[in-house]
Amino acid sequence: NAGVTQTPKFQVLKTGQSMTLQCAQDMNHNSMYWYRQDPGMGLRLIYYSASEGTTDKGEVPNGYNVSRLNKREFSLRLESAAPSQTSVYFCASSLTGVSTEAFFGQGTRLTVV
Amino acid sequence: DQQVKQNSPSLSVQEGRISILNCDYTNSMFDYFLWYKKYPAEGPTFLISISSIKDKNEDGRFTVFLNKSAKHLSLHIVPSQPGDSAVYFCAATLMEYGNKLVFGAGTILRVKS
Repeated sequence: NAGVTQTPKFQVLKTGQSMTLQCAQDMNHNSMYWYRQDPGMGLRLIYYSASEGTTDKGEVPNGYNVSRLNKREFSLRLESAAPSQTSVYFCASSLTGVSTEAFFGQGTRLTVV
Repeated sequence: DQQVKQNSPSLSVQEGRISILNCDYTNSMFDYFLWYKKYPAEGPTFLISISSIKDKNEDGRFTVFLNKSAKHLSLHIVPSQPGDSAVYFCAATLMEYGNKLVFGAGTILRVKS
């Protein structure tokens, strides 16, 4: 079972470069999320998509854009990378409902120099 | 303003003893609370959850206790095993927020053999 798959696993960018982080889930989940993890900060929500065709800002959306391409795929784009975006990024998915166990991908370690 | 707080960055416990991880929250409207476990270079994995209408949930060696009046929950691991060494994240959800997970900063648990 693949679950949630993120690509790439590692990336180094120069300041100002752009890139897209890809995420796909095969569990037929309605909701998908992008989080970033920074030391001492836990996981903070960047953007989420409650269902196909909808996206909403989370806690730290500045500098990012997202696309819910279809039910399976949810991509995160950095248009002009900044050193402050150096972080580990996690994609997650869940069924809609009160009991919201989310399943996470393995993460993308991004360094912006 | 962090709505979910884990005030202990780390905890060290002897194998076979009890591990108690604590979590405080500020929003009394949270519907569900979850604990996630994270190993290095992996995504978080769901461990156990509790509804806001309950005060205890048990799953094998793991028990979560919820004290709504104190806005406090705790995760008990008995007995602790070296394989339990990981980062533990407390999280909460609110249907009004679209069931997004709000995470604490995490606690590093080290179980010594």
